[in-house]
Amino acid sequence: GAVVSQHPSRVICKSGTSVKIECRSLDFQATTMFWYRQFPKKSLMLMATSNEGSKATYEQGVEKDKFLINHASLTLSTLTVTSAHPEDSSFYICSARAVDLGTGNSPLHFGNGTRLTVT
Amino acid sequence: AQSVTQLGSHVSVSEGALVLLRCNYSSSVPPYLFWYVQYPNQGLQLLLKYTTGATLVKGINGFEAEFKKSETSFHLTKPSAHMSDAAEYFCAVSVESYQKVTFGTGTKLQVIP
Repeated sequence: GAVVSQHPSRVICKSGTSVKIECRSLDFQATTMFWYRQFPKKSLMLMATSNEGSKATYEQGVEKDKFLINHASLTLSTLTVTSAHPEDSSFYICSARAVDLGTGNSPLHFGNGTRLTVT
Repeated sequence: AQSVTQLGSHVSVSEGALVLLRCNYSSSVPPYLFWYVQYPNQGLQLLLKYTTGATLVKGINGFEAEFKKSETSFHLTKPSAHMSDAAEYFCAVSVESYQKVTFGTGTKLQVIP
């Protein structure tokens, strides 16, 4: 089955530094990738949608200059948390979608998430 | 716009008992509906999905869900709970196959031995 690899699984960084999270589709080409943030005891909140080769579309309330998303190829998207602060500590999950033009199916495949802790 | 409501943030069942996790959706157009499971510190795994056709959908690990348009519901059930079913479950809705998915707030399932 389709696999999405997200790296790192855990990262601890100091306040003010930047952290990059990678999301790779290992055995399929992802036309669209999504980045979610999960707060404790809350649902997944969509942060942004990225299509390969174009700028990401951010959800309302998400700072695009703080959460930089790059989708440079059909198998890789990155999320960079710039100038991280303790309130950015969270669980970030990416998902990738590939459209099967034959069936019309477009299943969503999730990475295993990244636990970010900002001290 | 679409939305999902999951009733009950925590559900406890005894091992071997029926599992019922409730989900109601709101959508102005025919929805695509999903149930995902999340184990601690992991991503989401698709349990099952409804797109079109048969309203009773069978998924992995013995779970199934029934799409009831009149009730705008998509409840998840499993006849007999297993300890390994303890996890968080998310109901989700999408209005088109290619569009973004909106998640419910999740229900944490506890299975008591």
